[in-house]
Amino acid sequence: SAVISQKPSRDICQRGTSLTIQCQVDSQVTMMFWYRQQPGQSLTLIATANQGSEATYESGFVIDKFPISRPNLTFSTLTVSNMSPEDSSIYLCSVEVRTAGYGYTFGSGTRLTVV
Amino acid sequence: AQKITQTQPGMFVQEKEAVTLDCTYDTSDPSYGLFWYKQPSSGEMIFLIYQGSYDQQNATEGRYSLNFQKARKSANLVISASQLGDSAMYFCAMREGWSSGSRLTFGEGTQLTVNP
Repeated sequence: SAVISQKPSRDICQRGTSLTIQCQVDSQVTMMFWYRQQPGQSLTLIATANQGSEATYESGFVIDKFPISRPNLTFSTLTVSNMSPEDSSIYLCSVEVRTAGYGYTFGSGTRLTVV
Repeated sequence: AQKITQTQPGMFVQEKEAVTLDCTYDTSDPSYGLFWYKQPSSGEMIFLIYQGSYDQQNATEGRYSLNFQKARKSANLVISASQLGDSAMYFCAMREGWSSGSRLTFGEGTQLTVNP
C-alpha cells in the first residue's frame, strides 16, 4: 500500500498568518483527499485534488481559504490562509489504494494550533 | 440525513475481553465499501478492516472482524481479546460507488477505553 509523508506534524501559528502542509506519496496516485478534524470531532473532507486540474471543494470550504496545489502524481500541498483560532484542527491527507488490497491510506496528520 | 451513524460515543472493556463497536449506514448505491479506522491520541489514522457490499463473507483481520448485516445496514466492528493498546478513537467510514476518487464519509467515532 502507499506510504504518505506529511509535514509538518504540528505547528503553533499566529492568527492572520498562513501555513502550508505538504504530503508526499511513495507512488503515483490519481486523487488526493484533504480532511480537517476539529477538536473532538470526526473527519470532514475539505477538497479532492486531481493532478493537472483545480481541486474540487466541499460545501463550506473555499479556495481562497484553503488553496491546494497538485503539481504531480506524488505530491500535494494544502495552505490554511489568514488563520484564526477556529482553524485549530488536525489536517490529514489521504489517497486511495487499489493494489494489493483496497483502502485509503492517510498521512500522519498535521496538528495545527492558532493563537 | 447521516450516512454513517456510530451511536456509542464511549465504550469501556476489560483487557482480554471482546468488544463490539456499532456502525449503521445509509446509502441507495448498490456498490459501496465500509471501513474501520483506529485513531490513537497521536492523531494518525490506522486502517483496520474493509468490507465490500458484494462480499459474501464477513471480513476478518487478525483480532478484528466485521459483523456485516446488509439488510440491517450495519457493519459492527468486533475486537477480540482486547489489549491496552487498543484504547483509541474508532471511526466507521463508507465509500459510495466504485469510481476512482470516491471519497470516504466518516461517522462521529467511538472512544474505546481498555481497562487493565
